[in-house]
Amino acid sequence: DTGVSQNPRHKITKRGQNVTFRCDPISEHNRLYWYRQTLGQGPEFLTYFQNEAQLEKSRLLSDRFSAERPKGSFSTLEIQRTEQGDSAMYLCASSLGGSGSQETQYFGPGTRLLVL
Amino acid sequence: AQSVAQPEDQVNVAEGNPLTVKCTYSVSGNPYLFWYVQYPNRGLQFLLKYITGDNLVKGSYGFEAEFNKSQTSFHLKKPSARVSDSALYFCAVTRGNKLVFGAGTILRVKS
Repeated sequence: DTGVSQNPRHKITKRGQNVTFRCDPISEHNRLYWYRQTLGQGPEFLTYFQNEAQLEKSRLLSDRFSAERPKGSFSTLEIQRTEQGDSAMYLCASSLGGSGSQETQYFGPGTRLLVL
Repeated sequence: AQSVAQPEDQVNVAEGNPLTVKCTYSVSGNPYLFWYVQYPNRGLQFLLKYITGDNLVKGSYGFEAEFNKSQTSFHLKKPSARVSDSALYFCAVTRGNKLVFGAGTILRVKS
C-alpha cells in the first residue's frame, strides 16, 4: 500500500536560503494539496492542484512560495529567501477528484522545516 | 464561512472508559465533516467523515461520530478508550475543495 510520501522529512536551513520539498501522491489521485501546520495549530490550506493545473492559492502563499505539479504526478513546493516565520510542518495530501468537497484527502507524513 | 471549533484543548480519560472529543461547526448549506488523528511528528490519518445519511458514522480503529444538526455538532466517540488512542485529534469541514481544521484536541488515555 503506497500512501502519500514526502521528502525530505526534516530540513534545517539558514534564513535567506531557498528550500524545496517534494510530494508524491497516491498514484491514481488527480488532486494534490499543500497545507502548513505550526505548533499548536491545525493545518492551514496553502494551495491545490487538479492534475497539473494549480486551481487555488491561499493568501498565506506569499510571493516567496511557489508550487508546481509539472506532469500531474509529483509536486514541489519551493520557498525562496526563507524567514524564521516559515518554520512549520508542511503537509501534502491527495484525493481522487470527482465528488468535489466530499472527497477524502489522504495526508503524507509531512516535512518539518526549521529556519535558523 | 465554513468553520469548526474544538472547545477542549485536552481531554483526559481512563483506559476502558468511553471517550468523547467535541466539535461544533458553522456552515452554510450541507456540511461535509471529517475527523483526523495525528501522532507525534506524523501526518494526519483519516478516521471518518459525514457526508449525508445516517447521523452515526463509523470509522477506523473503533471510532464513531454523531452528526447532530440541531446542535451543529459532530462529536467523536469511542466506547472503550485505549492507551494507544492518545494523540492529537482534528475536526475539519470542507470549504470549496479545501479542508478547514479546528485547533485540535489532545487526547490522553491513562492506564
